[in-house]
Amino acid sequence: DAGITQSPRHKVTETGTPVTLRCHQTENHRYMYWYRQDPGHGLRLIHYSYGVKDTDKGEVSDGYSVSRSKTEDFLLTLESATSSQTSVYFCAISGLAGSSYEQYFGPGTRLTVT
Amino acid sequence: GIQVEQSPPDLILQEGANSTLRCNFSDSVNNLQWFHQNPWGQLINLFYIPSGTKQNGRLSATTVATERYSLLYISSSQTTDSGVYFCAVVSGGGADGLTFGKGTHLIIQP
Repeated sequence: DAGITQSPRHKVTETGTPVTLRCHQTENHRYMYWYRQDPGHGLRLIHYSYGVKDTDKGEVSDGYSVSRSKTEDFLLTLESATSSQTSVYFCAISGLAGSSYEQYFGPGTRLTVT
Repeated sequence: GIQVEQSPPDLILQEGANSTLRCNFSDSVNNLQWFHQNPWGQLINLFYIPSGTKQNGRLSATTVATERYSLLYISSSQTTDSGVYFCAVVSGGGADGLTFGKGTHLIIQP
């Protein structure tokens, strides 16, 4: 168990509303990631972070923003949710000091936008 | 960007059978991981294997980086092996995000 929690685990929201998903880690890993998983696809990278206040865009970043003000927390925000953002969102961590870049995943958040 | 192709897309086996899952990638990689996504959606780390061979119980994996492929072997399958198996790679810096294949959906029948 890599000590990753995601909240909420399930959420239903309406189109146009803002939504923030939280990823929390207790392992002091340097790197954190947000992915989304849709039917027929593997996971796709949304944003990632190399450290506090150091983030970068992934493959499918449009419509999403992130923030990392503390090592242990990585927030994903949908500024104005759309139905195309209905998905399962996974957070991942890697880069514990002295270890490899192996990524470990949280339990996921199922988001439905109606 | 790098392309990751997994085969076969679907596989149905009887309990006790052996199987080989393949992952081809289009460029050199720094990281390669195999995951099992169980029926509850949890992603379980199987192997971190950018090159070489590793074994863990009934599972083993081999990555031939120079030929751009990796293989996952499952021996003596059990029903709990059912789920989707993903291969994922990093082609840039080691801390970059993973690029996933579309997975192999494995069903083990009793």
